[in-house]
Amino acid sequence: AQKITQTQPGMFVQEKEAVTLDCTYDTSDQSYGLFWYKQPSSGEMIFLIYQGSYDEQNATEGRYSLNFQKARKSANLVISASQLGDSAMYFCAMGPTGNQFYFGTGTSLTVIP
Amino acid sequence: DTGVSQDPRHKITKRGQNVTFRCDPISEHNRLYWYRQTLGQGPEFLTYFQNEAQLEKSRLLSDRFSAERPKGSFSTLEIQRTEQGDSAMYLCASSSSGTRVNQPQHFGDGTRLSIL
Repeated sequence: AQKITQTQPGMFVQEKEAVTLDCTYDTSDQSYGLFWYKQPSSGEMIFLIYQGSYDEQNATEGRYSLNFQKARKSANLVISASQLGDSAMYFCAMGPTGNQFYFGTGTSLTVIP
Repeated sequence: DTGVSQDPRHKITKRGQNVTFRCDPISEHNRLYWYRQTLGQGPEFLTYFQNEAQLEKSRLLSDRFSAERPKGSFSTLEIQRTEQGDSAMYLCASSSSGTRVNQPQHFGDGTRLSIL
């Protein structure tokens, strides 16, 4: 069963605008973490932001914020003031379930000058 | 501070050959993960080590795959009798101790395997 769903294969955003990347997840665990990673064309996976299932406030890290809606099982990433360097693949991940972490299929973000 | 290091970066081999990849995690990290990533997909979990103990293996990890982490430091992933379907990027990640739920994984640059 798919644990992480990212329904947007590709997204475009104008430079300096905000963009929301969607992520929904499926788990019966009470304690879990939600993570977002960025993978530029060069291939490295870069950790962006984390949200714990028990955290009441949405996580923020600089221009990144996580819109966590636990009842809807969604953990959307919001990037504010987009920059050309934000063009990359973005992956949502959840875990651990047992000892495993699950990644979505990713969203390709293109920032247009 | 060095990050996660993987070697080699690229490996091209003929079908049926054995290959071995190495991962050096961040030195203070006791957790180590191997993933496989194919084109257009997210990373798929393969196996997990806590220190030297291999605590979980995915069903994706057939008996041709074996991973070790002697002494709880570096790890190796070996694929025996490689098949075309093994062509992928193999990613290693490590994370520190503490509550597992909130420890982000730090990834290496991966080893890209191509089977001829």
